[in-house]
Amino acid sequence: LAKTTQPISMDSYEGQEVNITCSHNNIATNDYITWYQQFPSQGPRFIIQGYKTKVTNEVASLFIPADRKSSTLSLPRVSLSDTAVYYCLVGPPTPLVFGKGTRLSVIA
Amino acid sequence: NAGVTQTPKFQVLKTGQSMTLQCAQDMNHEYMSWYRQDPGMGLRLIHYSVGAGITDQGEVPNGYNVSRSTTEDFPLRLLSAAPSQTSVYFCASSSGTGGNQPQHFGDGTRLSIL
Repeated sequence: LAKTTQPISMDSYEGQEVNITCSHNNIATNDYITWYQQFPSQGPRFIIQGYKTKVTNEVASLFIPADRKSSTLSLPRVSLSDTAVYYCLVGPPTPLVFGKGTRLSVIA
Repeated sequence: NAGVTQTPKFQVLKTGQSMTLQCAQDMNHEYMSWYRQDPGMGLRLIHYSVGAGITDQGEVPNGYNVSRSTTEDFPLRLLSAAPSQTSVYFCASSSGTGGNQPQHFGDGTRLSIL
C-alpha cells in the first residue's frame, strides 16, 4: 500500500487560500489520489479525486505533478466552516488506509 | 436518499457484554468496510467485504466479527466488549474496489464500554 505523509496541522485566516501537500513517493501506476474531509462527530466525506495533472470541482482543486509523487489540495477562500481534518489517500488496492490527516483550523 | 445508515448512534455497554452494530446501504455497493476512530487518531480498518459472502480482516480485527449475507447489510459484532473497544465506529461503502470509486461513510456509532 502506498504510504502518504501530510502535515499534522495548519492554521489559516478566513478568506485565504489553503494548500495542503501530501507526499506519496511509492505511488503505483494504477493508484488514484483521493482526499476526504471530516468534521467533528461526522464520518469522512469525499471531496476530490485525481490521477494526474489538475482536477477542480465546486469545493477544491487538486494539483498532481507529472511524477505523481505528491499532490496538493487547494481550498480557495476558506471560511470558518472549512475547519476540519483532511485525509489524503492513495489506492487501489483495497483496503484503503487512513492516516491521521491534516487538522485545518480557520481563524476569523 | 439514505446512503449509509448506522444504528445505534450511541451505546453504552458493560465489560463482557456482546452487541451488534448495524450498517445498511441502499446504493447497491459491493464494497463495505468498518473503521474505528479513537480520539485524535485517524481511522483504522477493522474488517471489510468485497461482496456478499466475502469478508476479510483489516489492521485491527481482534475482538470483532463480521458477516455479509446480503449486499445491503454489513453488521459488526463485538463478542465480549472490553474498555479498549471504546471508540467511534464508522461504516463505509463504495461501488467497487478500484481507486476511482470513493467511499461513502455513515454518521458513526459512539460506543462506550465501562
